[in-house]
Amino acid sequence: DTEVTQTPKHLVMGMTNKKSLKCEQHMGHRAMYWYKQKAKKPPELMFVYSYEKLSINESVPSRFSPECPNSSLLNLHLHALQPEDSALYLCASSTLLAVSSYEQYFGPGTRLTVT
Amino acid sequence: KQEVTQIPAALSVPEGENLVLNCSFTDSAIYNLQWFRQDPGKGLTSLLLIQSSQREQTSGRLNASLDKSSGRSTLYIAASQPGDSATYLCAGGGWVKAAGNKLTFGGGTRVLVKP
Repeated sequence: DTEVTQTPKHLVMGMTNKKSLKCEQHMGHRAMYWYKQKAKKPPELMFVYSYEKLSINESVPSRFSPECPNSSLLNLHLHALQPEDSALYLCASSTLLAVSSYEQYFGPGTRLTVT
Repeated sequence: KQEVTQIPAALSVPEGENLVLNCSFTDSAIYNLQWFRQDPGKGLTSLLLIQSSQREQTSGRLNASLDKSSGRSTLYIAASQPGDSATYLCAGGGWVKAAGNKLTFGGGTRVLVKP
């Protein structure tokens, strides 16, 4: 099973709301990633968690707060977002095994609209 | 810093014609290169991954080559079908120790296969 699931599929939130995006995988992968993709643009890396610890933060504003509660789950907490944060948020996972190809598997994404 | 470019941005071909998609990258110390397909509003589907030590990978009608010396990868899709219509993204992988495989994406090539 090479499935990464994300919930919700769609989310509309106001600029004062607090919401969370959820990502889950059961492939035993120990690296999980958050990407942001604006319309007609390629995905941009936001965060990487390896062994449940934040290993890469691509200078993302603090209104985005990632969390990795266990090896299968990755959350992205959202607070005080701006309309320009509206985008498709993609989660991905990969192994960290030296003999693997480190292929990244992506979820279907959460379409976020900030009003 | 790795930069990845895909030209052309859009391509239209009649059904049955072979597709040739180009990807170029600036840093030859690439760890691997991954090709993805993305349908409108959807997540990314991994098509092929080529490790830096490999020259090509094949899966069904798909063949991808990698030439590190020239900084190029090419994705060939044989005998195109209308169902191949999608955006194709290439991504160069850069290994970050204990942090995973950091992908840098090209801008994508939007493909339309006309019946």
